[in-house]
Amino acid sequence: AQKITQTQPGMFVQEKEAVTLDCTYDTSDQSYGLFWYKQPSSGEMIFLIYQGSYDEQNATEGRYSLNFQKARKSANLVISASQLGDSAMYFCAMIMARGFQKLVFGTGTRLLVSP
Amino acid sequence: DGGITQSPKYLFRKEGQNVTLSCEQNLNHDAMYWYRQDPGQGLRLIYYSQIVNDFQKGDIAEGYSVSREKKESFPLTVTSAQKNPTAFYLCASSIRTSEYNEQFFGPGTRLTVL
Repeated sequence: AQKITQTQPGMFVQEKEAVTLDCTYDTSDQSYGLFWYKQPSSGEMIFLIYQGSYDEQNATEGRYSLNFQKARKSANLVISASQLGDSAMYFCAMIMARGFQKLVFGTGTRLLVSP
Repeated sequence: DGGITQSPKYLFRKEGQNVTLSCEQNLNHDAMYWYRQDPGQGLRLIYYSQIVNDFQKGDIAEGYSVSREKKESFPLTVTSAQKNPTAFYLCASSIRTSEYNEQFFGPGTRLTVL
């Protein structure tokens, strides 16, 4: 079965600094996709970044980058130049190529950005 | 603006009552999903629908029911058979399920059973 593990329940970072949120995954499939979502206190889930298992380069979207290490089965999110508005819950999720594409979520990491 | 709307934002019900959560999208997406989120946990899939008039159970479908009579709408009914219905419910949609298309989420409905 597919599983996502986020081992950091909470992280603190100062404004303008970079922070890495950890995500490891478990699957025996070769074809899959990895997502990161942000959930502010208002509750909606906001898509941040996507990495396909066959993508050779790490995905980047503005201040977000995904450090994809396939052999280690890790897909860490790096946020550069943190802003106060980055304070939120962050979820790593995986989707499989076979059959119905269900998103499997980790338990999330709460990020607090201080001034 | 295109997006997903969920109503109501907060919902209270007494034990033993059925309640229906609304989810509407104007993104012309084929697939729609319902997730449940409990405190300190990630999202868990309740039901999903890939096309109109078709839907499938997710991981935690017991005590829930859905319908998909229109492409835009995917209401979720929380029945009295659901043992612990207090949770945050999120609806999502995606273009299709044959590729890795991102799922767009609505703002959610927080259900509290009194």
